[in-house]
Amino acid sequence: AQKVTQAQTEISVVEKEDVTLDCVYETRDTTYYLFWYKQPPSGELVFLIRRNSFDEQNEISGRYSWNFQKSTSSFNFTITASQVVDSAVYFCALSEARRGNTPLVFGKGTRLSVIA
Amino acid sequence: EAGVAQSPRYKIIEKRQSVAFWCNPISGHATLYWYQQILGQGPKLLIQFQNNGVVDDSQLPKDRFSAERLKGVDSTLKIQPAKLEDSAVYLCASRRTGYTNTEAFFGQGTRLTVV
Repeated sequence: AQKVTQAQTEISVVEKEDVTLDCVYETRDTTYYLFWYKQPPSGELVFLIRRNSFDEQNEISGRYSWNFQKSTSSFNFTITASQVVDSAVYFCALSEARRGNTPLVFGKGTRLSVIA
Repeated sequence: EAGVAQSPRYKIIEKRQSVAFWCNPISGHATLYWYQQILGQGPKLLIQFQNNGVVDDSQLPKDRFSAERLKGVDSTLKIQPAKLEDSAVYLCASRRTGYTNTEAFFGQGTRLTVV
């Protein structure tokens, strides 16, 4: 069965600090996909990144970076030099590949508050 | 490219009343999902459509919830009768067909309050 765990319920940082959001997942499949979404106060889930299980390269996009480690089943998300606009709820999600377009299974989310 | 459209944005009803939500997915996306997001939790899948066929409705409370996707495009989700615990945001998402590694695109959701 698929499962995504985001152990950090809420994080509060001061602007310009770096912050890492943790994500641990469980799956029996060898091929799967991991995602991060941002949910600002407006409520819409905004796609940030997708990672395939066979690609363990870390990725950097501006102030965002992602560290995927299959050995520990983790897909952590780091925001460098955080800004107030980064305040949102962040969700990690998993989708297995064995049955075609399988639904995304989400963690409970981490609420990030960046204080000016 | 237009995004996933949902309506209404907000709805307040009394318990035991019925309510319906509408979703228009991104053009060409054959896969459509309805998720329920209770305050403070992650989205939970209710039902998945592939074109106009149901792929997975194992988590849909079928005694009160129903959903359809006529002609494989728009979809409606209905609750009848509503209970207090149905208060949540209902999210619709769509995804391209035949690809497992694509992201799902979400609408803004419908916030339902049952009083």
